[in-house]
Amino acid sequence: DVKVTQSSRYLVKRTGEKVFLECVQDMDHENMFWYRQDPGLGLRLIYFSYDVKMKEKGDIPEGYSVSREKKERFSLILESASTNQTSMYLCASSAKYGYTFGSGTRLTVV
Amino acid sequence: DAKTTQPNSMESNEEEPVHLPCNHSTISGTDYIHWYRQLPSQGPEYVIHGLTSNVNNRMASLAIAEDRKSSTLILHRATLRDAAVYYCILRDREGGSEKLVFGKGTKLTVNP
Repeated sequence: DVKVTQSSRYLVKRTGEKVFLECVQDMDHENMFWYRQDPGLGLRLIYFSYDVKMKEKGDIPEGYSVSREKKERFSLILESASTNQTSMYLCASSAKYGYTFGSGTRLTVV
Repeated sequence: DAKTTQPNSMESNEEEPVHLPCNHSTISGTDYIHWYRQLPSQGPEYVIHGLTSNVNNRMASLAIAEDRKSSTLILHRATLRDAAVYYCILRDREGGSEKLVFGKGTKLTVNP
């Protein structure tokens, strides 16, 4: 079964910490995406990548960066975590037409 | 991105068919209609997509109006596991690198 795996299901971090959210896919997909999901706001695109070492800003990139050193791995980085980054983070990859999402990481910043 | 309009919520009974509507009056000729659903505490999952003709797969059917300004996702026999938020999304061309833009979707409740 094809998979997108997010390294943590739940994460609690302190304000100001540097946070890494890892995502790995085993489908050899070129395209990978990071979304966040908040009640009432739905899913919003943070960053995406069409290829190794390539990245594009989504709709809400502020406060985030990404890294894609290998095709199968796409990391989301919170340079200095803040409480307004408390959210559910979802990683996805895609090839021809369908997106496959991971189960999500629920991040709480205290 | 062309926009879609869906009802906020719908309710169904178990083992009955469910028709989830989606309006997309500004759809362009190259837009594909995609449906995803999100079960509680999970990431969204792909359900079905189509361009002009009706489509069937093991999960659902997609009925597309002749003018393509609306479509309907059909679950033939709803089960409790079908309770989810269903998203109707338009994507230029068939997909691939095109980013998905999610609206609010329709929250489907299935009653036992």
